Amino acid sequence: AQRVTQPEKLLSVFKGAPVELKCNYSYSGSPELFWYVQYSRQRLQLLLRHISRESIKGFTADLNKGETSFHLKKPFAQEEDSAMYYCALSAPGNTPLVFGKGTRLSVIA
Amino acid sequence: KAGVTQTPRYLIKTRGQQVTLSCSPISGHRSVSWYQQTPGQGLQFLFEYFSETQRNKGNFPGRFSGRQFSNSRSEMNVSTLELGDSALYLCASSLVPGRETQYFGPGTRLLVL
Repeated sequence: AQRVTQPEKLLSVFKGAPVELKCNYSYSGSPELFWYVQYSRQRLQLLLRHISRESIKGFTADLNKGETSFHLKKPFAQEEDSAMYYCALSAPGNTPLVFGKGTRLSVIA
Repeated sequence: KAGVTQTPRYLIKTRGQQVTLSCSPISGHRSVSWYQQTPGQGLQFLFEYFSETQRNKGNFPGRFSGRQFSNSRSEMNVSTLELGDSALYLCASSLVPGRETQYFGPGTRLLVL
């Protein structure tokens, strides 16, 4: 079965420092990977997906099939990046989206 | 387009009662998924519906059930509530199932006393 692991429950960084939120997955095929974000008092929303290869709000994520990872990165953290971040995997076929347990990012001024 | 809506937003129930939560997807979206969100477990998948058919079910007891109507609106029901059912229940919709972006509602916060 597919599994998504986010090893850090909480990540605290200073404003202006680089950020890397880790995501590892277990799936042998070709998954679709997503990062969803939940800001305080807002609904969960898509941040980015690997197939689009976009940079959203300065965040990027690269799918590394060899290491089965999809880490989320931003070179300079901003206070407004403080939120809960979830990595998610979608496998082909009749399977639901699988979420990691999330990482709370706290950017300290 | 209006986003995903969920009603009610807040509920307080006592153990043993049952509850029904409602979700209206984005217009044109035919796939609806339900999740339970708790601080300890994060997002746990409950069900996925498409065209009134349940495509997938998560690892939850039979007390949790759901359905989807012809207009794609969905309901989930929890019978014989337990304290551990206290959580935020999220609904998400997408055009079709599969590798589509899911759009989430604000959630229904259920407190079981």
